[in-house]
Amino acid sequence: GQQVMQIPQYQHVQEGEDFTTYCNSSTTLSNIQWYKQRPGGHPVFLIQLVKSGEVKKQKRLTFQFGEAKKNSSLHITATQTTDVGTYFCAGGSRLSFGAGTTVTVRA
Amino acid sequence: GAVVSQHPSRVICKSGTSVKIECRSLDFQATTMFWYRQFPKQSLMLMATSNEGSKATYEQGVEKDKFLINHASLTLSTLTVTSAHPEDSSFYICSARGGTGYNSPLHFGNGTRLTVT
Repeated sequence: GQQVMQIPQYQHVQEGEDFTTYCNSSTTLSNIQWYKQRPGGHPVFLIQLVKSGEVKKQKRLTFQFGEAKKNSSLHITATQTTDVGTYFCAGGSRLSFGAGTTVTVRA
Repeated sequence: GAVVSQHPSRVICKSGTSVKIECRSLDFQATTMFWYRQFPKQSLMLMATSNEGSKATYEQGVEKDKFLINHASLTLSTLTVTSAHPEDSSFYICSARGGTGYNSPLHFGNGTRLTVT
C-alpha cells in the first residue's frame, strides 16, 4: 500500500533558527496535507497542496509540493516556542500519515 | 469551522470489560469517519473507516470483532473496544472529512485516552 515517509523524526531547534521537515512517497500523490499536533492535543489541519510544484505560505511556515508530486516539505523560519509539536504530512486518497516530526525548541 | 467532538476524553476500565467511544460531527454531516490509534510519540495508525449506513472497512491486522464500529447517523460514529485488555491501552482518535471530496481536510476529535487495568 501507499506509504509516506517523513524525516527527521525529531528536530530540536534553537529559538530563532530555521528548520525543514520532509515528506516522501514512493508513489505519486494526488494531494498532500499537513497537520500539527500539540503535546497532549489532537492533529489540526494546516494546509493542503494539490498542484505540482505548488508553494504555499502561512506566516513563517512555507509548504512545498514537489514537481513529481512524490515529496513535500515544510520549512519554518525564526522558530518560536509556539511551534512546538509534531508535524504530520498525509498524502493520497487514503491520507496515509507519515511518522511525524516532533519539534522541540530551546530558548 | 467544522468541529468534531469525541467522548469520553479519558476512560479507565478493568480487563475484560467493554468501552464505547463516541465521535460526533457537530456542525456538519459526515458520511465517512475514521478511527485511529496512536501510541506515545508515534504516528496515527488508521484502524478503520466508518461508513454511514454500512459496514466499516477495517485495516489489515485490526480485529473487527474486537473493535466494533457503528455509524448509525450522519453525525455519529462509535467505536466499542470489546473485552479490553491492558495491551488495548492507547490513545484513540477519530476524524471526519469536512467536505464531500476525498481531498477535504480531516477534522479530528480530541481523542480518548483508554487505560485498561
